[in-house]
Amino acid sequence: DAAVTQKPRYLIKMKGQEAEMKCIPEKGHTAVFWYQQKQSKELKFLIYFQNQQPLDQIDMVKERFSAVCPSSSLCSLGIRTCEAEDSALYLCSSSQEQNTEVFFGKGTRLTVV
Amino acid sequence: GMPVEQNPPALSLYEGADSGLRCNFSTTMKSVQWFQQNHRGRLITLFYLAQGTKENGRLKSTFNSKERYSTLHIKDAQLEDSGTYFCAAEFYTNTGKLTFGDGTVLTVKP
Repeated sequence: DAAVTQKPRYLIKMKGQEAEMKCIPEKGHTAVFWYQQKQSKELKFLIYFQNQQPLDQIDMVKERFSAVCPSSSLCSLGIRTCEAEDSALYLCSSSQEQNTEVFFGKGTRLTVV
Repeated sequence: GMPVEQNPPALSLYEGADSGLRCNFSTTMKSVQWFQQNHRGRLITLFYLAQGTKENGRLKSTFNSKERYSTLHIKDAQLEDSGTYFCAAEFYTNTGKLTFGDGTVLTVKP
């Protein structure tokens, strides 16, 4: 599998705290995606970057999250004020611009208590 | 309906059995990927298809964009095949963004 790296693997936050998770996409990949998965259900798309620019994101991300890809080698997804419903596995994936096969990292499992 | 409908939601097989999973799409899709997710949450890419059929060991996948479906066939099921399988499709209007099915929980029994 491709080397998409996510840190940390596990994150525990209290309600109201800020959370941040990192993603290092596969080298040479220009597209980065974040997904949220609750209780092993389907993955829910959150936000998409192409060449460090956010091109698509859902309303929840606009309202409560902060996501940036300042360089092609490091992206981050943050939650400004954690809520219980944010407890989930957050998965980052990347792909080349020309070849859209995507590869996933191992995820960050966030628990909000 | 849902853009990606995956069936069955759960599947139980004995070792050595063959079976298949299917995803139906509400519209013509650009590509499809199949993933296996293990108990730790790791998503492993099984196949990426823009059209046609691919095989890898005991796994075989077909994607028919025109007929709006994709299948994943597992042959000679092994215990390590247990996990959750997802299909994910890419709309023509999106570059790489995937829409996932609900998953199939596969349990292989000895």
